[in-house]
Amino acid sequence: AQSVTQPDIHITVSEGASLELRCNYSYGATPYLFWYVQSPGQGLQLLLKYFSGDTLVQGIKGFEAEFKRSQSSFNLRKPSVHWSDAAEYFCAVGAYGQNFVFGPGTRLSVLP
Amino acid sequence: DADVTQTPRNRITKTGKRIMLECSQTKGHDRMYWYRQDPGLGLRLIYYSFDVKDINKGEISDGYSVSRQAQAKFSLSLESAIPNQTALYFCATSDTGQGAMGGYTFGSGTRLTVV
Repeated sequence: AQSVTQPDIHITVSEGASLELRCNYSYGATPYLFWYVQSPGQGLQLLLKYFSGDTLVQGIKGFEAEFKRSQSSFNLRKPSVHWSDAAEYFCAVGAYGQNFVFGPGTRLSVLP
Repeated sequence: DADVTQTPRNRITKTGKRIMLECSQTKGHDRMYWYRQDPGLGLRLIYYSFDVKDINKGEISDGYSVSRQAQAKFSLSLESAIPNQTALYFCATSDTGQGAMGGYTFGSGTRLTVV
């Protein structure tokens, strides 16, 4: 069965520090991989996506993610976090003809 | 105007009451979805529809029903609300032409509380 895990429920970083949010998946087909961000009181906004090709993908708001097939991972990174990045982040996996499977989310807090 | 609009934004209802959550979209997407979000559980799929005549159950459809009134409208009903249906509900859309690659467009959510 398809599954997505995000091992960190809550992460706190200082503003200006680097960030890495982890995502691991179990999926039978060749996966399409996504990261979404949910700001308080808002819906989910797509940050970036990976289908094929270069395993390092760039997204909006200065985020990037790296696909590692051998580790079944798609970790999200940002070199320098801003206070406005405080939100909940969801990793999702999909495939052609399949509905998305979402991870449980990681809540990011940013210290001034 | 938002691409995907959900109404109401917030709702408190009593146990046993029937309630309908509405979703409309201007994306022109043919696929629509209802998800439920609970803390620590992520988003779970309730129902999805690939066109007006195609309705499918998701992983947690018990206690819910849906209606696809038009390509742009997809409603979720709780026939007899119970407290454990208290959650944040999201509507989402996607485009068959892009398949999974297009990702989903989400509404802002409906926060439902059943007392």
